[in-house]
Amino acid sequence: EVQLLESGGNLVQPGGSLRLSCAASGFTFSNYGMNWVRQGPGKGLEWVSAISAGGARTYYADSVKGQFTISRDNSKNTLYLEMNSLRAEDTAIYYCAKERGFKGGFDYWGQGTLVTVSS
Amino acid sequence: EIVLTQSPATLSLSPGERATLSCRASQSVSSYLAWYQQKPGQAPRLLIYDASNRATGIPARFSGSGSGTDFTLTISSLEPEDFAVYYCQERSNWWTFGQGTKVEIK
Repeated sequence: EVQLLESGGNLVQPGGSLRLSCAASGFTFSNYGMNWVRQGPGKGLEWVSAISAGGARTYYADSVKGQFTISRDNSKNTLYLEMNSLRAEDTAIYYCAKERGFKGGFDYWGQGTLVTVSS
Repeated sequence: EIVLTQSPATLSLSPGERATLSCRASQSVSSYLAWYQQKPGQAPRLLIYDASNRATGIPARFSGSGSGTDFTLTISSLEPEDFAVYYCQERSNWWTFGQGTKVEIK
């Protein structure tokens, strides 16, 4: 059974940093691209970042470029999102999601971890 | 940057009725379009990928069609558990979601 388990969400002050993790199991992690998607309170889905299966290629939404860093450790089956200079508008549930295949959507999602940026 | 526009924003229907949701892309995305269902407090669930292929375990009442810039998600006969928010998604250079359509009970 595929499982994605996010952790690391917390209350953080504006300007602070946070690292999210997503522990994967039930599939060959190193074979699939992975993504972070967020959802602000009462809002729609916003794609945040993607990383290729091997980790060589990374992609970011314009809204987080230069602020967030995605990475992965295939030996630990874990995806990360390093978030710096956090702002109130970064407050959201952050989901990790597995790509189904080439441009085939995200077939598995974690339950999400809540990041709240507030003083 | 491709923009996905979903319509209507809200669809009010009764169980047993047919639901037709639209997703329009600002430029062609070929057939690289996916649909998701999200219920309150839950993560999204993949329904359709590559415009018309049902994901694993998705009931046959869900179908997708379209290519290029115009896509449709059809729910042939609404079940009580189908009332939710639906999002379309495409990948060009990166992933983009539409703003969502809420299917609510009339």
